[in-house]
Amino acid sequence: EAGVAQSPRYKIIEKRQSVAFWCNPISGHATLYWYQQILGQGPKLLIQFQNNGVVDDSQLPKDRFSAERLKGVDSTLKIQPAKLEDSAVYLCASSSSGVAGDYEQYFGPGTRLTVT
Amino acid sequence: RKEVEQDPGPFNVPEGATVAFNCTYSNSASQSFFWYRQDCRKEPKLLMSVYSSGNEDGRFTAQLNRASQYISLLIRDSKLSDSATYLCVVRITGGSYIPTFGRGTSLIVHP
Repeated sequence: EAGVAQSPRYKIIEKRQSVAFWCNPISGHATLYWYQQILGQGPKLLIQFQNNGVVDDSQLPKDRFSAERLKGVDSTLKIQPAKLEDSAVYLCASSSSGVAGDYEQYFGPGTRLTVT
Repeated sequence: RKEVEQDPGPFNVPEGATVAFNCTYSNSASQSFFWYRQDCRKEPKLLMSVYSSGNEDGRFTAQLNRASQYISLLIRDSKLSDSATYLCVVRITGGSYIPTFGRGTSLIVHP
């Protein structure tokens, strides 16, 4: 079974530039998550999708971050414009359902973003 | 107060030692609990779910204490390969089961 795919793996941009990350979840997984993990901290949930609907985006900085999951499969996360504090690893995860809580999240390898 | 708190460590133990980590959570509506393992510069992976009755998987034992709002992870007979960061995850009920991660506890097992 193929895992969660993410691209790019690494990205270096200057502050105020824009960047986009792509995620392809495990086939059949209805729930997709985007996390931000800053060095030395645990992953922070940015947005959770159930199919193509947003379940929670309370921690997404909506003035600069946006995410979409068209057709309920692939997802993109965009930052525009980037700030220095956005330097982090952006992790995408998927699970088979968000209806009941006891489902394992499968993570992709992440995108390591450096903002200079 | 953070929703999920963990001692960041590092816990530095010799091979064969027994080590225990705790994780406290603040929201009493929390319903699902997990331990994930994250190796350096890798993605998190599920280690085990934590059930009300506690559960054991080989050298690993997880316990839940709802009254005191904490979960624990016990590792017996530590191996060098157990060196990693252990992340506590709590999911809140309310229809959405939003997951919240702790900052992780770093374990270093030395020869």
